[in-house]
Amino acid sequence: GESVGLHLPTLSVQEGDNSIINCAYSNSASDYFIWYKQESGKGPQFIIDIRSNMDKRQGQRVTVLLNKTVKHLSLQIAATQPGDSAVYFCAEYRRTGKLIFGQGTELSVKP
Amino acid sequence: DARVTQTPRHKVTEMGQEVTMRCQPILGHNTVFWYRQTMMQGLELLAYFRNRAPLDDSGMPKDRFSAEMPDATLATLKIQPSEPRDSAVYFCASGLVASGGELFFGEGSRLTVL
Repeated sequence: GESVGLHLPTLSVQEGDNSIINCAYSNSASDYFIWYKQESGKGPQFIIDIRSNMDKRQGQRVTVLLNKTVKHLSLQIAATQPGDSAVYFCAEYRRTGKLIFGQGTELSVKP
Repeated sequence: DARVTQTPRHKVTEMGQEVTMRCQPILGHNTVFWYRQTMMQGLELLAYFRNRAPLDDSGMPKDRFSAEMPDATLATLKIQPSEPRDSAVYFCASGLVASGGELFFGEGSRLTVL
């Protein structure tokens, strides 16, 4: 079936460096895409979303890029901090109202 | 501080027993989702509701799982009979139709079926 997948299961970065988490998707008929952060023992938490008619959106220390040509999504975190350590999921919001999650990338921040 | 509340937080039961998980969505939210999380399968969508009406429950094993919203303040997920492969963390999330994919998740119910 259709899915939203991630390129790498783990990512380790040095504190202060920028992090880039990637995601590939297969469904072209989606309203928009969302990034969630899940800390250990907690539920996922919304970070940022991007509509399918956009190619870039910025938030506080985060930027999401959408490349519809190659069906690729990325989350960039600037000046990564220890508190950013978590599992990051991309998710796809479909017009039916479904929200489908990818497999997740675990981000570890080394002090 | 509005949040989604799930009970129980932890449940250990034996195979064949009935399990009911409950969720109180954020007041005013009109969409409710149930997800199951395991290491192997990640976050799987089981069912979701809009204005208390079930829109899609194709992710659930129909013979043993059922999801309902008796009223706007309560969503339930029932497993009968439970099996060891049902062991997972079950998350409930709520949101607004207008906000699309921005959901607020509960802390989850960790289920262990022996």
